[in-house]
Amino acid sequence: AQSVTQPDIHITVSEGASLELRCNYSYGATPYLFWYVQSPGQGLQLLLKYFSGDTLVQGIKGFEAEFKRSQSSFNLRKPSVHWSDAAEYFCAVGERTGANNLFFGTGTRLTVIP
Amino acid sequence: DSGVTQTPKHLITATGQRVTLRCSPRSGDLSVYWYQQSLDQGLQFLIQYYNGEERAKGNILERFSAQQFPDLHSELNLSSLELGDSALYFCASSVPPAGLTFGAGSRLTVL
Repeated sequence: AQSVTQPDIHITVSEGASLELRCNYSYGATPYLFWYVQSPGQGLQLLLKYFSGDTLVQGIKGFEAEFKRSQSSFNLRKPSVHWSDAAEYFCAVGERTGANNLFFGTGTRLTVIP
Repeated sequence: DSGVTQTPKHLITATGQRVTLRCSPRSGDLSVYWYQQSLDQGLQFLIQYYNGEERAKGNILERFSAQQFPDLHSELNLSSLELGDSALYFCASSVPPAGLTFGAGSRLTVL
């Protein structure tokens, strides 16, 4: 069965510092990969997605993620964090065939300190 | 604005009651997905409908049911509510070729 692991429950970074959020997946084949962000009391917004091709994917709000097949990882990065990036971040996998539903990790809560 | 509309935004009810959550997918999208987000279970896929037919089922309780109507809106019915059903319930539409766009959610509080 597919699974998504986000090993960091909570991360605190200083504004302007770099950020990396980890995501590992377990799946029979390379799935579609996604990162979503959820601000407090809000819905989920898609940051970026990986389907195929270039393993470094650019997203919105200055985020990027790198797919590493050998490590079954899809880590999210941002070179310089802004206070408005404080939110919950979810990694998700989707099947390449089938119903298109997504399976989510447990999320990483990001706190940004001045 | 994702184009996915959910009502109500907030709902407070008592144990044992029944509620209905409503979702309108993005214009032209035939699919509707329902997810539950709770503190202890995280984001769980409940069920998917495609053009009125159930397409996939996840961790949906027997007390819960859903349907999609001819105009493509969907309703999620939650009955015999328990305290543990308090959660955010999200509806989503497909984003071709893969991925989902989510509504703002319906927050259910069971007292």
